[in-house]
Amino acid sequence: EDQVTQSPEALRLQEGESSSLNCSYTVSGLRGLFWYRQDPGKGPEFLFTLYSAGEEKEKERLKATLTKKESFLHITAPKPEDSATYLCAVQAPGGYNKLIFGAGTRLAVHP
Amino acid sequence: DTEVTQTPKHLVMGMTNKKSLKCEQHMGHRAMYWYKQKAKKPPELMFVYSYEKLSINESVPSRFSPECPNSSLLNLHLHALQPEDSALYLCASSQAQPEKLFFGSGTQLSVL
Repeated sequence: EDQVTQSPEALRLQEGESSSLNCSYTVSGLRGLFWYRQDPGKGPEFLFTLYSAGEEKEKERLKATLTKKESFLHITAPKPEDSATYLCAVQAPGGYNKLIFGAGTRLAVHP
Repeated sequence: DTEVTQTPKHLVMGMTNKKSLKCEQHMGHRAMYWYKQKAKKPPELMFVYSYEKLSINESVPSRFSPECPNSSLLNLHLHALQPEDSALYLCASSQAQPEKLFFGSGTQLSVL
């Protein structure tokens, strides 16, 4: 069964304290892995797409990496405005646009 | 314009009411989606329209009825909902060949 598992469920960091979020997946034939950021009461905001093992993408303080079994979202020197829920999703096999989301990591960055 | 616009932002309805949620995008995307999200849970796919045709229905109860009048608009008609249907309803769009989904801000629905 296709599955996406994120850890930790919640993470509290001090401002400037770097850390990583994990997304492990089991899917037959990965077509794409996506990271989204979601603020409370808002829709998810696209961050990155990764397609193949070894791929890396960066945006400001965020860097996403991909292996054959998992993806990491590294947050370097986070600021309070980075506080949000970070969602990982994989594209399901088949011809249609179906994403399988993980449960997310709720990140809180304190000054 | 890279926005997906959803109206209304908030909706309170009784179990006997009929209401509609609306979604609009002007990015030329040919795939549009409805997701349901409960508090502290990930979004769950409900429906996918591709080129204005319903391509995925994730076994959603018939009290939810989607409609895609044209390539820019997506509606979700609601009738005889239950309190457990209270959630954030998200609309999204993408290119037909999926790269990434653009989500709207959602409609927070409360069913009394």
